[in-house]
This record gives sequence, structure tokens and C-alpha cells, in this order.
Amino acid sequence: DGGITQSPKYLFRKEGQNVTLSCEQNLNHDAMYWYRQDPGQGLRLIYYSQIVNDFQKGDIAEGYSVSREKKESFPLTVTSAQKNPTAFYLCASSIDPGNNRYEQYFGPGTRLTVT
Amino acid sequence: DQQVKQNSPSLSVQEGRISILNCDYTNSMFDYFLWYKKYPAEGPTFLISISSFKDKNEDGRFTVFLNKSAKHLSLHIVPSQPGDSAVYFCAASARGSNYQLIWGAGTKLIIKP
Repeated sequence: DGGITQSPKYLFRKEGQNVTLSCEQNLNHDAMYWYRQDPGQGLRLIYYSQIVNDFQKGDIAEGYSVSREKKESFPLTVTSAQKNPTAFYLCASSIDPGNNRYEQYFGPGTRLTVT
Repeated sequence: DQQVKQNSPSLSVQEGRISILNCDYTNSMFDYFLWYKKYPAEGPTFLISISSFKDKNEDGRFTVFLNKSAKHLSLHIVPSQPGDSAVYFCAASARGSNYQLIWGAGTKLIIKP
């Protein structure tokens, strides 16, 4: 089945530790995105990548880092510099929007809790 | 500054009736609008979209209406079913924005039996 997988579903970390969230897609989509969702808020864009080996900061990139070494994979590292890392993290992908297709398809999300 | 606003945090509708979810936007450069549905602890699921060239798009029980002059769009669900209970997000995109989606805060729809 084609889709986006995120692992793990739940993740617990101690304050001061870096943690990497996995995102893999087998939809052959060019673009991939990382969002953060906090209670009562919409999705906020952390980073996005339109092509392998290239990525851009979103609205709230501080304290996060990404890599895009393969088309299928877009891991997100939450560093100790991120002041409020506890949140629900969502990965998404989309077909090349140059075809006028803006729809993004989402993985199941990772709930990160930092104590 | 919120460019996409969903002013109703929640909406309660009787099963079988029409659900109307609203969304307002401020950026006149937005030319594509999408609605997503989200269950707790899951990723959003794409529902329906509309281009700024149209004022209506229909897919089964879901219809999206766009009023460009009012910078307003709405999602109609008819008839409402218990499985429609979820949070609905409105999102918008503008040409030249690297196709980023700007999201509203969501409206929680509760379908009462």
C-alpha cells in the first residue's frame, strides 16, 4: 500500500536530549513537509523540502533540523534548543505542485513528550 | 497575523441535518483552498478543494463554496453522519508561495444522534 509512515507513534525524552522523528513515503512525491500541532491551534510549518538535498525553513524552524538525502525520507531532529518541544508532529508529502495539485497527504503523526 | 481564520472553535449538529463550516481569509493572493478532516491522534485527511476560478465544488455529501469578494469559503456536509464528528481544517495556498499551505485553527464538529 502507498502511504506515509511516521515512527514511533509516541516518543518520550528527557529535557536536553536531541530526538529524531522518522518520516518515510512510498508515494513517489517530490515535496515533503513537517508540521507541528498544539492544542487549539492549526498546523504550523517547521521545514519543507521540494527536492532531494534541498529544504527550506518554515514559520517555526528554530530548534529543529532536517535532512533530505533520499526522495522517500525526510527525518526531523528536535534539538535541545527547541524551548517547547512537547507537541504532535505531522509529516506530509505532495505531488509536484507545478501540476496545480496542492493537496498534501499526511502520516499518522508522532506525539513527542519531553519532561 | 492569521491569514486563514476559522472563527467557530466548535459546532454541534443533529445527525441527518446540514453541517456548515466557515472559513475566512485575508490574503487576496490565495488561489487554492482545501478542507481537511482530522480525528484525534491521527494525521489530517484531505476532503475537498476549490480553485479560485470556481465558486462551488461538490463531492458526494461535501460541497465547498467560495465567495472571493467576501474572502469567505464554507464547507457543507449533507446529510451529517456520526462519522463526520472530527476537527475540520481550512487551508489556503497562493501562487509564488512555494505552494505552502496556510492553515486555520480548525473547527470541532460534533454530530448528535
